[in-house]
Amino acid sequence: DIQMTQSPSSLSAYVGDRVTITCRASQSINSYLNWYQQKPGKAPKLLIYAASSLQSGVPSRFSGSGSGTDFALSISSLQPEDFATYYCQQSYDTPRTFGQGTKVEMK
Amino acid sequence: QITLKESGPTLVKSTQTLTLTCTFTGFSVSTSGVGVGWIRQPPGKALEWLALIYWDDDKRYSPSLKNRLTITKDSSKNQVVITVANMDPVDTATYYCAHSGINTSYSFDHWGQGTLVTVSS
Repeated sequence: DIQMTQSPSSLSAYVGDRVTITCRASQSINSYLNWYQQKPGKAPKLLIYAASSLQSGVPSRFSGSGSGTDFALSISSLQPEDFATYYCQQSYDTPRTFGQGTKVEMK
Repeated sequence: QITLKESGPTLVKSTQTLTLTCTFTGFSVSTSGVGVGWIRQPPGKALEWLALIYWDDDKRYSPSLKNRLTITKDSSKNQVVITVANMDPVDTATYYCAHSGINTSYSFDHWGQGTLVTVSS
């Protein structure tokens, strides 16, 4: 199985801050890396697919980068609605695997 | 517009078999490049992928649960069904189904609202 490791597990930030979350795969997954946002009591929402492609309807303050084993999700200017938990997930192979999540909290 | 919705029991007993149905609109599971997956999330924990079925009936399962899972599709009804045998309290979770397509690199680009399943001992 491909293991996905996110860091940090949680972070505190102010509205307007730039935030970066990283995700590392245990082997190369090319660009088969996706990012999701999940708010309490809601289903995850796809933000970024194929490492850097913005899903339709997602604000441009979200961006993704990386390839191979190291990836990052950045939020250029954190908005109040962005406080949530973020997950990375690889779609290179099955079993599909998710990271353990990064909770972004308000400072 | 793609929508998905999970249905099934909210409470099952230990050792029973759980059957959940995902009913969807806006796509066909027999279209090339399309899949439907199941993912679960125990309360307060991370997402865990369970299974995936593709348009050509290729089926993939989580190795840790493989002996307990079965996924099937009914294209005529626009449904995908998952069964989980021998349920245990640790299987208490919200279960989601999601669309997976080649156009978004086989990510899970549309999700159902989820259904909370509680397993009693």
